[in-house]
This record gives sequence, C-alpha cells and structure tokens, in this order.
Amino acid sequence: DAGVIQSPRHEVTEMGQEVTLRCKPISGHNSLFWYRQTMMRGLELLIYFNNNVPIDDSGMPEDRFSAKMPNASFSTLKIQPSEPRDSAVYFCASSRNEKLFFGSGTQLSVL
Amino acid sequence: KQEVTQIPAALSVPEGENLVLNCSFTDSAIYNLQWFRQDPGKGLTSLLLIQSSQREQTSGRLNASLDKSSGRSTLYIAASQPGDSATYLCAVRGTTDSWGKLQFGAGTQVVVTP
Repeated sequence: DAGVIQSPRHEVTEMGQEVTLRCKPISGHNSLFWYRQTMMRGLELLIYFNNNVPIDDSGMPEDRFSAKMPNASFSTLKIQPSEPRDSAVYFCASSRNEKLFFGSGTQLSVL
Repeated sequence: KQEVTQIPAALSVPEGENLVLNCSFTDSAIYNLQWFRQDPGKGLTSLLLIQSSQREQTSGRLNASLDKSSGRSTLYIAASQPGDSATYLCAVRGTTDSWGKLQFGAGTQVVVTP
C-alpha cells in the first residue's frame, strides 16, 4: 500500500497567488482530513470529509480556504489569495475507522 | 474547550532506558485517545488508540495507559533505542466532537542517545 500521497512536497509562492494542495487517500478509506501544523498553533483540523461529503469545516480559517473531494481517491485544498500567515505544513490524512494515516505533508511558504 | 498538554516538551535519555511520556487533558468526557509519532519532515504515525472504556493498550515495547477521571494518559516505551528518537503527540476526541475532530497536544520531542 502506497499510503496517503500528497503533492507537492514543497511549495513556495508569492503573496496573492493561488495555491492548490493535492491528496490521494488510501484506497478503501472513507474519511479524509486536512490538517495544518505550525510551531505556534500545533496541529489544527481544517476540514474533514466522510464518503466524499464535507462533514465539518469549522476549522477552515477564512473564505480564502476551500476544499473539495470530487471522488473517493482525490482531494484538493485551495488557498486563494495566499498570505504569508498561511505558511505552514499541510497534512492530509485518511481513515477507515478511528485510526488515522497521515501523508508526508506539503511545506507551504508564502513570501 | 478541551486543552491537551504534554510535559516535558523535550526529553533526552540514554539508550536502554525506559521512556515515560505524559499527556493530560482538561475535559474527561473523551471518546478515545491516540498516541502518534512524528519524524522530522514526515507525517504522523498512529501508535496506539485507547477507547474511553479501556485502561491500557500495548503494542510491542509500547504501552499506553488511560486514566479518564484524572485526565491523564502515559506512554511507556521499554528499553529505548536510537530509532525511537522522534516527537510523540497525543490526541483526544471528545464525546461531543464530530468524528475525526481530534485535539492534539504540542508533543514531546525525544532523543535517545547511543
């Protein structure tokens, strides 16, 4: 099993640009989560999907953030426009039960 | 609001010593608690999951205990090895939280010296 696959691994962009992060969950997992990790705030849940449907997006910081899951094998997290305070590591995780499997993350730097 | 605390923030032990990592939470109404390991530049790996009705879980050299009434969990790693060096995080899911809404601690960074 390839695990949860995220791309890109690193993203450097300028303030105001659109950023799209991608995630492929583990096959057969019906839940998908997007987390953000920073030194100041630790790990925060942004949004999670169950059977491709967004269940809880209360962690999405602003309208600049949006997430989609068009099918069971793909999800995107988009930031438009990006700001320097969005710089963080963004993790995708998937689960079939309570146990979470994390991807390696996308290190985002907004200059 | 649930607060999850892990003390100490960092720990260094010589190889062979047992590791004891602490996690405390303010609201005892939890559904379950998980321990994760995070290596530098990597995602989190789930180590153990304890349901609220359980007192402990074991996997190999790892043992996690849960005392809901006192709001504490402890992760024991027996006979530590340099490969155990990582950051260990605990996370709780409250009984009123939606599925998957885990509250993470800040983690304990562990270094095991050869």
